[in-house]
Amino acid sequence: SQQGEEDPQALSIQEGENATMNCSYKTSINNLQWYRQNSGRGLVHLILIRSNEREKHSGRLRVTLDTSKKSSSLLITASRAADTASYFCATTSGSARQLTFGSGTQLTVLP
Amino acid sequence: GAGVSQSPRYKVAKRGQDVALRCDPISGHVSLFWYQQALGQGPEFLTYFQNEAQLDKSGLPSDRFFAERPEGSVSTLKIQRTQQEDSAVYLCASSLLALGPLSGNTIYFGEGSWLTVV
Repeated sequence: SQQGEEDPQALSIQEGENATMNCSYKTSINNLQWYRQNSGRGLVHLILIRSNEREKHSGRLRVTLDTSKKSSSLLITASRAADTASYFCATTSGSARQLTFGSGTQLTVLP
Repeated sequence: GAGVSQSPRYKVAKRGQDVALRCDPISGHVSLFWYQQALGQGPEFLTYFQNEAQLDKSGLPSDRFFAERPEGSVSTLKIQRTQQEDSAVYLCASSLLALGPLSGNTIYFGEGSWLTVV
């Protein structure tokens, strides 16, 4: 079963705008990761934030984590058409080694 | 190879047919995962190997699903007597260390095997 829910399910923006995607999860976590999946392709790891961290940056990506609200957000600044993809949050919990994924946000960046 | 390789990329099976999906992880990677991804959904965990040992198979949906990694490298996911609800993308992933994403270790995904059962 899915651990989390992404919000919105779909997002369409113009190139150059910022895109914000949210993820909520249900159980306490060890870390939370964001992945990108281009249509018909595998998942690519973007960024990881640990449960004791609140914010992390990587290039045009900014991730925040609020463990009290069991939620995370991914901000992509100055979006490009190449950012068009599905974005998934994924968590690890307890001693389980596997990732538990949310349902994803489909981002479309219009040129 | 440089990445996780899966074959076949596309498979159409008749209902009731057995299928075998292969995964070649990145060389030297200890952890190997199989996930199932239905259309429009996030991946769901199927099973986990640490080297040749299958340590977690809690996500396998039925006893028709079987996975192995006999020499701790290549893995095969076998689905017996396929049914229409088995239609999905089957993703393989590997990571260098035993703890996988639990420790923050990056896991690398293959491009998946697309299974359609007709």
